[in-house]
Amino acid sequence: GAVVSQHPSWVICKSGTSVKIECRSLDFQATTMFWYRQFPKQSLMLMATSNEGSKATYEQGVEKDKFLINHASLTLSTLTVTSAHPEDSSFYICSATRGTGANEKLFFGSGTQLSVL
Amino acid sequence: KNQVEQSPQSLIILEGKNCTLQCNYTVSPFSNLRWYKQDTGRGPVSLTIMTFSENTKSNGRYTATLDADTKQSSLHITASQLSDSASYICVVSLSGGSYIPTFGRGTSLIVHP
Repeated sequence: GAVVSQHPSWVICKSGTSVKIECRSLDFQATTMFWYRQFPKQSLMLMATSNEGSKATYEQGVEKDKFLINHASLTLSTLTVTSAHPEDSSFYICSATRGTGANEKLFFGSGTQLSVL
Repeated sequence: KNQVEQSPQSLIILEGKNCTLQCNYTVSPFSNLRWYKQDTGRGPVSLTIMTFSENTKSNGRYTATLDADTKQSSLHITASQLSDSASYICVVSLSGGSYIPTFGRGTSLIVHP
């Protein structure tokens, strides 16, 4: 079964509204989670690394105030797209790592399709 | 700069045929290499993971190979099925410290009946 749950699967919103996406690790504690966005026919692009109990680390070119990340617990990270605009329409995916070293595994959520009208 | 290059960008094959996808990387120091399958509108699903010391790893009809000396990996799909139509993504991670993966752009595979 799924070990990383992402919700919602899809969302349609009006321009200017904020949208929150949740990412949960179901049966393990994830001190670090990752957020990606993916445009059609393109690869995943890392947006930020979410660390439990501390501020997220954003990749170059990703607006911190636009994409708010909160990793409040060891099993939940949220991404809030603030004042969404049509250009924010994309597929957003989270992932979490379980284990370390050679046993480290990366699990992805099922993704959230965001459409901003 | 750590990079992961995949080829071909897209591939169309007939059902039942075999195919091989390529992944070249410059990520160093290397920790592990993973192949994922991503259906449209879904999150990636892990197919194989290989560490530095592994040369090959199979998962059903999927067989991945790794040459750490030449920094090349391949994913071979045997007896393709229509359900194999998807994007296949190669992901390489650095060793040591925090895990931050480097993604290839993926190969789009279409299997026709």
